[in-house]
Amino acid sequence: SYELTQPPSVSVSPGQTASITCSGDKLGDEYVSWYQQKSGQSPVVVIYQNRNRPSGIPERFSGSNSGNTATLTISGTQAMDEADYYCQAWDSSTVVFGGGTKLTVL
Amino acid sequence: VQLVQSGAEVKKSGASVQVSCKASGYTFSGHYIHWVRQAPGQGLDWMGWINPNSGDTSFGQKLQGRVTMTRDTSISTAYMELTRLTSDDTAVYYCARDWGTGSHPDYWGQGTLVTVSS
Repeated sequence: SYELTQPPSVSVSPGQTASITCSGDKLGDEYVSWYQQKSGQSPVVVIYQNRNRPSGIPERFSGSNSGNTATLTISGTQAMDEADYYCQAWDSSTVVFGGGTKLTVL
Repeated sequence: VQLVQSGAEVKKSGASVQVSCKASGYTFSGHYIHWVRQAPGQGLDWMGWINPNSGDTSFGQKLQGRVTMTRDTSISTAYMELTRLTSDDTAVYYCARDWGTGSHPDYWGQGTLVTVSS
């Protein structure tokens, strides 16, 4: 079965840029979405179709996808961005989520 | 768009559970409904989707044979039933609307905690 691999944790200082990667075989051939989940809340999509931001998502969130790696980038990271982040893609008719990355803003 | 799920459940091992997801604010038949679960302290685990228009479904491999997804279009509600429960099924279960019919989950329900005890 298809697997998406994310680093378990990423740390960033406030105001700096955080990058979270998601790796999978030929992932660049698929659309990738990214979800933010804060403690005790439902996930929220922050990037869809590799690089599109839903309305209401700050411009500091951006995405890219090429080769075997998709990347979520958060520029000027704020304390409110501390959360778990999950990538998601389709594998034929099924959906796959990455294992999740805990973003810590220190 | 709103997805409102049924309340928390406590079940014994071996029992079944059904979770409902009532949709409002959009055309129910025009968007897949995904079911995703999250065990305590763990990541998101996709369970499957249902096409409310046709009733077609697709399930994750490890739940094949134990999960059923249905819908009632007259009341814009999707259902997920999981049978032969074990403690490993203790999780928060989410329904989520697909942006279309095979894009990405965009709106999520509030989650339903299912606790399985022996």
